[in-house]
Amino acid sequence: DAGVIQSPRHEVTEMGQEVTLRCKPISGHDYLFWYRQTMMRGLELLIYFNNNVPIDDSGMPEDRFSAKMPNASFSTLKIQPSEPRDSAVYFCASSLRQGGDTEAFFGQGTRLTVV
Amino acid sequence: QKEVEQNSGPLSVPEGAIASLNCTYSDRGSQSFFWYRQYSGKSPELIMFIYSNGDKEDGRFTAQLNKASQYVSLLIRDSQPSDSATYLCAVTGSNYQLIWGAGTKLIIKP
Repeated sequence: DAGVIQSPRHEVTEMGQEVTLRCKPISGHDYLFWYRQTMMRGLELLIYFNNNVPIDDSGMPEDRFSAKMPNASFSTLKIQPSEPRDSAVYFCASSLRQGGDTEAFFGQGTRLTVV
Repeated sequence: QKEVEQNSGPLSVPEGAIASLNCTYSDRGSQSFFWYRQYSGKSPELIMFIYSNGDKEDGRFTAQLNKASQYVSLLIRDSQPSDSATYLCAVTGSNYQLIWGAGTKLIIKP
């Protein structure tokens, strides 16, 4: 397997525009996580899915953020409208299960810059 | 608010010495403890996990867990310049969700 695949790797957009980040998890992994990482706040869990169903979205900062997982091999994180404070690296990660000794595998991340 | 605390560093260690990274957590219900390494501009990758009190060794890496003190550490023996990175401590809460520390930046000086 190629690992978790995210696109795009870099995104620069103007304030107010819609941004869509994409993720393909590792095949067979039941859990998918979206994280945001900044220098100030570190790694923050935004939302996670189990078998394509959103389980906990309490980390989603505002209604401007939404995430979907229409099937086991694809997920999106959308920001509409985007703001400069959304600038961060967004990681998608997947795992076979949750807890215990389960390793989370991270994608390469999307570096988002909102100007 | 469940928390995981790490010293942000940077921690500077001479090549060949032992690097000691520390992490404390607030949730006594935490069951599993992970150390991830993140190189600059890259994604986190798992180094090792531990869930029993005591030491767990994997090559040059040793994780130490003390649940009574709510403390987990990572020792890196014979530190190499390639070990220079940010080390993230992650802890599972009672609901199995990972709670992350802010990371410690480690610099190994040749």
